This record gives sequence, structure tokens and C-alpha cells, in this order.
Amino acid sequence: NAGVMQNPRHLVRRRGQEARLRCSPMKGHSHVYWYRQLPEEGLKFMVYLQKENIIDESGMPKERFSAEFPKEGPSILRIQQVVRGDSAAYFCASSPLGQGAWLNTEAFFGQGTRLTVV
Amino acid sequence: DAKTTQPTSMDCAEGRAANLPCNHSTISGNEYVYWYRQIHSQGPQYIIHGLKNNETNEMASLIITEDRKSSTLILPHATLRDTAVYYCIVRVAAGANNLFFGTGTRLTVIP
Repeated sequence: NAGVMQNPRHLVRRRGQEARLRCSPMKGHSHVYWYRQLPEEGLKFMVYLQKENIIDESGMPKERFSAEFPKEGPSILRIQQVVRGDSAAYFCASSPLGQGAWLNTEAFFGQGTRLTVV
Repeated sequence: DAKTTQPTSMDCAEGRAANLPCNHSTISGNEYVYWYRQIHSQGPQYIIHGLKNNETNEMASLIITEDRKSSTLILPHATLRDTAVYYCIVRVAAGANNLFFGTGTRLTVIP
């Protein structure tokens, strides 16, 4: 689990600003998943990406949220014009396989980024 | 909608076995049961998974009933560091690429 690196660990933004959350998957993993956890709730799936492709974004809010996983560099979750309701912990997970095949392995999670919107 | 049902919270004495139940009565034949846990303020940690046979690893044992409608995660000798929220997860739908986390069971290990 320590192999998935997320930064920053804590991020404070004022309403209307942009938040950028970064995730570097474990070495050799080309599949990245983003989850959001509101206070006192379970994790909710947001988006699944492979290198340079968004595979499943069924959990992403339709506006202000976007994600990318470029050929080089970390995956980025971007939240534009943040509002107080965006305050949450955002977790990234990576796995070596995708398209459901990884269900017979496990996904490794990072330590999360805690976003606070003031 | 959640496909699993777990008790909200449980207590366990340190050194004793912790048995965490999970109901998944609508599980399909090709769906796996996964267990993750989340220690306060940390990312979820994989524990174990299984399809229909009982499984054991260095962390825990997973007992799945013959009809697969329920399962139990067993931590054989609970320690204070096992205090966490434990999530029982089944695959949401064929072809889905994500895990569906419910609210889990908050296990408190008592000294």
C-alpha cells in the first residue's frame, strides 16, 4: 500500500479555486482508480484510467471534475471552482490489470489527499 | 444500491478471535467477495478475497457459506492495531472496474 504515492496529503483551498491531486501508481501498474470518501461514509468510485485513456468515469460529477493519466507522470484529479461540498478524502488505487481482470488480484491504495475547502 | 450488509460496529477483546459477518444474498456465481480495512486516516488495505472456497492468509481467514449468501472474516488473534473499519465488497456488475464500498463494520479491539 505504501507503493501508491499521493500528494499532497492535505490541501486547503478557498471556494472558487482549483484543486489538483496527484497519484503515482505502484511500479509496473498501468491502471489507476480514484475514489472519494466523504466524512463518516464509505469510499465512492469516481473514475478508472489507463495510460492516456479514461476507461470508466461513471462516478465522476458531470461538472468541474476531470481526471487524466498521461503517458509520462502521475495521474491528476482536477477539481475546478471548488465548493465546500468537495471537502473529502480522495484516494487513488492502482492495479497491474484492468477491465475486471484485476478482481482476482488486489488493488493497492494510497494514503489519500484530504481536501478542505474554506 | 449496496449489495452487502454488515453490522455497523463490533467490539472484540485483545487476543481473542474477531468474527466479522457479511451478508451478500444476491451475489452472482462469478462474483468474488473481497475484504478491505481502513485504519483511521489511512488508505484502504487489502485483506483477503475468495470465490467459493474458504481462504486463509497471514492476516485472516475467509469463510464463505456453501450457498455463498454470506461470509465471515476471521482475525484469529485480534490486536489493538486491528481496530479499523472493515469493508466486505462484492463486484458490482459484470465488467465493472471498481469496488463498491458500503459503510463497513467498525471493529474496536479492547485491551
